[in-house]
Formats: sequence, structure tokens, C-alpha cells
Amino acid sequence: DIQMTQSSSSFSVSLGDRVTITCKASEDIYNRLAWYQQKPGNAPRLLISGATSLETGVPSRFSGSGSGKDYTLSITSLQTEDVATYYCQQYWSTPLTFGAGTKLELK
Amino acid sequence: DVQLVESGGGLVQPGGSRKLSCAASGFTFSSFGMHWVRQAPEKGLEWVAYISSGSSTIYYADTVKGRFTISRDNPKNTLFLQMTSLRSEDTAMYYCAIDASAWFAYWGQGTLVTVSA
Repeated sequence: DIQMTQSSSSFSVSLGDRVTITCKASEDIYNRLAWYQQKPGNAPRLLISGATSLETGVPSRFSGSGSGKDYTLSITSLQTEDVATYYCQQYWSTPLTFGAGTKLELK
Repeated sequence: DVQLVESGGGLVQPGGSRKLSCAASGFTFSSFGMHWVRQAPEKGLEWVAYISSGSSTIYYADTVKGRFTISRDNPKNTLFLQMTSLRSEDTAMYYCAIDASAWFAYWGQGTLVTVSA
């Protein structure tokens, strides 16, 4: 199974910050990576697929990058509504696997 | 609008069974593969099972293989998850999700299954 590691389980942020969340796969996943946002009490929401492709309706302050084993989700100028937990997911092989999540908390 | 509405959750005794449903609307259900994904309380996401649009391809996570069965009724736009031999570690919110080439394009709001005596 491919293990997905998100280096930070949580970190404190301020409104307007640029935030970078990292995700590392245990092997090359050839950009087969998606990012999801989950707010408390809600289902996850797809933000990015193919490591860099922003879903329709997702604000342009979100972006994804990376290749091979290493991927990042960036948020420029963090807004209140971006405070959430973010998960990466690989779909290079089954079983489909997620990172443990990175929770953003306001300082 | 796309809608996925899960139902069937509740309190189940260890060793018991439960069948979850996911009613789909707002898209051509029979054209899309579907997944179940679960989330234990205060934990992360775990993929559970996948079924292709015509039910010809099915995959399971090792943690549920042999105990859970995914199925679908395309004329009724409904996805199912039959769960047997339930364990405490199966306690979770269960989400159905639309497949988009192995990522999860859209999620329902989930149904909570609690396995406890």
C-alpha cells in the first residue's frame, strides 16, 4: 500500500498568511494526487486533482504543485473560510489512501 | 444539483449487520463509478470500497474485505453497502462519493454507524 504522509497534523495561522501544506508519498505516484478540504461537521470537498488542476468553483488563492513523491497545497492570503482540515489522497494504485490531514487553526 | 443522501446508519451490536444506502440525483448515476469512504470519530479518511458504473469491477479495502459488500441499483439510482460481522473499529461516518478516475469528485453528507454493545 502507498503511505501518504502529511508532515504537520496542525498549525496556527493568521488571516492573510500564505500557507503551504505538504504531502509525501511512500513511492512515486506520478501526479495522481488530489486535495480535499473538510470543515467541522461537513463532508470533504474536492479542491484539486492531478496534483495541480483546480476544481470549478474553488478560489484561485488555492494551488497545488509537486511531482514524484512530494506535493504541496498552497493558499495565498488565508481567509476565514479556509480554516479547515486538508487531506491529500493518492490514486495511483489501490487501495486508495489518504494522508492523516493537516488542520489549520487561527492564532 | 448533484445530491448524494446516505441513510441506514445507527447503533449496531458487535458481530451484527447493517445495510447502508446512498440515494443519488442530479446526475446520470448509471454512468459513474461510486465509492464508500469512512471516517472514524475525530480521525482521518479511509477508503472502503469501489464499484464501477455497471458493477463489473469492485474493489475493497483489506480491512473490510470478506465482511462488506458494495452493490448498486442503477434504475433506482441507489448505491448500497452491506456490512456484516461488524467490529468496534468499524464505527465511523460513512460517506458515498462519486468516482472521477479514482478521486472523489463529490461526497454525500454521510451516515453514522456506531458499533457498540
